Amino acid sequence: QVQLVQSGAEVKKSGASVTVSCKASAITFSNYYMHWVRQAPGQGLEWMGIINPSGGSTSYAQIFKGRVTMTRDTSTYTIFMELSFLKSDDTAVYYCARSATLRGGFDTWGQGTMVSVSS
Amino acid sequence: QSALTQPASVSGSPGQSITISCAGTTSDVGAYDYVSWYQQHPGQAPKLMIYDVTKRPSGVSDRFSGSKSGNTASLTISGLQAEDEADYYCYSFTTNKTRVFGGGTKLTVL
Repeated sequence: QVQLVQSGAEVKKSGASVTVSCKASAITFSNYYMHWVRQAPGQGLEWMGIINPSGGSTSYAQIFKGRVTMTRDTSTYTIFMELSFLKSDDTAVYYCARSATLRGGFDTWGQGTMVSVSS
Repeated sequence: QSALTQPASVSGSPGQSITISCAGTTSDVGAYDYVSWYQQHPGQAPKLMIYDVTKRPSGVSDRFSGSKSGNTASLTISGLQAEDEADYYCYSFTTNKTRVFGGGTKLTVL
């Protein structure tokens, strides 16, 4: 059973930063791309960016450029998403997800991490 | 990149078929065959139902099928069952090398 296991819920103040982690497997790190997708309460899905776990290259959605950083730790097969300068409308569930191809969809998702931002 | 356009809601009775549309542009849905569909039950993570327009992952019922014509993709669910009641999202790769989702469709099984 393929699993992506994410870190726990976070509560942050406006202007702060948050880091969410997603632990995968050796096979996932070698053969898949990893993405971050968020979902605000009662809203739809929003793609944030992609990281290639094997090489570390990244690409971010335009609206998050300058605020998001995606990294990985190859020793623990874990990827990280840091979002800075948090605002109240960053309150959302953040998911990691993997894709087998660069352009294709997401076959496995993490359980989600709730990030709440208050002023 | 604007979200793909889906109907806010659709409904059907058990045993019936329904179709959910996903309207895009020549920069996304119309440009590539990288359209996928996700089912999301309340409080759960999304689940892949269709990828590359028409392909079904192992374990997904053959009652789910996908298609595309021009800039619009569609998800059809035949033989509706109560367990199909959920939110459904479409996805596409874009010519800007980004990714975009639809706004989501709430399916109600009457």
